[in-house]
Amino acid sequence: GQQLNQSPQSMFIQEGEDVSMNCTSSSIFNTWLWYKQDPGEGPVLLIALYKAGELTSNGRLTAQFGITRKDSFLNISASIPSDVGIYFCAGLNYGGSQGNLIFGKGTKLSVKP
Amino acid sequence: KAGVTQTPRYLIKTRGQQVTLSCSPISGHRSVSWYQQTPGQGLQFLFEYFSETQRNKGNFPGRFSGRQFSNSRSEMNVSTLELGDSALYLCASRPGLAGGAYNEQFFGPGTRLTVL
Repeated sequence: GQQLNQSPQSMFIQEGEDVSMNCTSSSIFNTWLWYKQDPGEGPVLLIALYKAGELTSNGRLTAQFGITRKDSFLNISASIPSDVGIYFCAGLNYGGSQGNLIFGKGTKLSVKP
Repeated sequence: KAGVTQTPRYLIKTRGQQVTLSCSPISGHRSVSWYQQTPGQGLQFLFEYFSETQRNKGNFPGRFSGRQFSNSRSEMNVSTLELGDSALYLCASRPGLAGGAYNEQFFGPGTRLTVL
């Protein structure tokens, strides 16, 4: 099925460093969502974006809805060990009446203390 | 407020059998979606239910079916299991079908299905 291009696939960083990941698509999206998934658990919603150009923060996390509506990025500042996990972007390319999120393949983040 | 719950958490079946998975959405949420997660394909949309009606369906064979009850709880059924059906099956709920914040889907912990 259709998927987003998410990069990088994995990152191995030092505690305290900033992290940046992004998603791109050939389709326009009306909503971008960013999730984090820990092993054996379901994805947890981190940030939701609804308008092109929107910049939203949640603690140390900041995400932006690209102006072309075809991309989004997520930044994590001053990473800590509990940031370890897989981060997924997800997009909705309908008016919201249909709930089929389209997911990226994920960015696996490892943090070295 | 309790989150999305899924039962069972783990399941082992053999090829040819059928399986039923259950999902209880967040209280007040009327839409339930199901996703399959595998290492190779990632997260793939199966179907969404709202008010006991299937609203949208992903690209999966007819062996995958679901239903929703009047209390918004949902079940997913897979018949004639194949080895490739081994996956984490995730359920997600949202308040309704409008846009904006109604697009935010909240996931349960998943059911890990292993087909031998």
